[in-house]
Amino acid sequence: SQKIEQNSEALNIQEGKTATLTCNYTNYSPAYLQWYRQDPGRGPVFLLLIRENEKEKRKERLKVTFDTTLKQSLFHITASQPADSATYLCALDVENQAGTALIFGKGTTLSVSS
Amino acid sequence: DVKVTQSSRYLVKRTGEKVFLECVQDMDHENMFWYRQDPGLGLRLIYFSYDVKMKEKGDIPEGYSVSREKKERFSLILESASTNQTSMYLCASSAGLFLYNSPLHFGNGTRLTVT
Repeated sequence: SQKIEQNSEALNIQEGKTATLTCNYTNYSPAYLQWYRQDPGRGPVFLLLIRENEKEKRKERLKVTFDTTLKQSLFHITASQPADSATYLCALDVENQAGTALIFGKGTTLSVSS
Repeated sequence: DVKVTQSSRYLVKRTGEKVFLECVQDMDHENMFWYRQDPGLGLRLIYFSYDVKMKEKGDIPEGYSVSREKKERFSLILESASTNQTSMYLCASSAGLFLYNSPLHFGNGTRLTVT
């Protein structure tokens, strides 16, 4: 069956370190992979989109990689800050019985302590 | 900045009531979506629309219907609310011909409680 897994429900790191979040998928062949940030009580906010033919994408302190052989995306936040504490969601476009849909992982909650 | 506005942040309804959740976007986006978000289950797609008066079922459409009479407005309707529809409902919009090669812009959600 098709599945998206984000490495852990929670990740705790110290300020200044690099946070690395993992998104693994099975039985999909997505053309796009997106990452979102969600704060408590708010809707998700788009961060980055990477295409299957791109290996890496960067935006300020954020970096995303997309390895279609490993079926994995890594999301890095360098020089992390307490303000980066949030839940991060990955999302893939997939074909399912409803047609093409954007399927979300359950998220990883990142806590950055000072 | 794209703004997606959901009419209510919190809503409490009784079992059997007909419930309308309204969503408006201000960026002339073609595509609009309704998701629900539950602890442990993540975001699940209920319905989406890629044009006025067009609608497509997502993964969990049962018990819901939608209406898109104007491009900027997408309504989710619970025909007869049940307690298992207690959830956070999120509306989103996106631009472009293809549904998923551009970012989704989400509203801040409506937390619906059905008692």
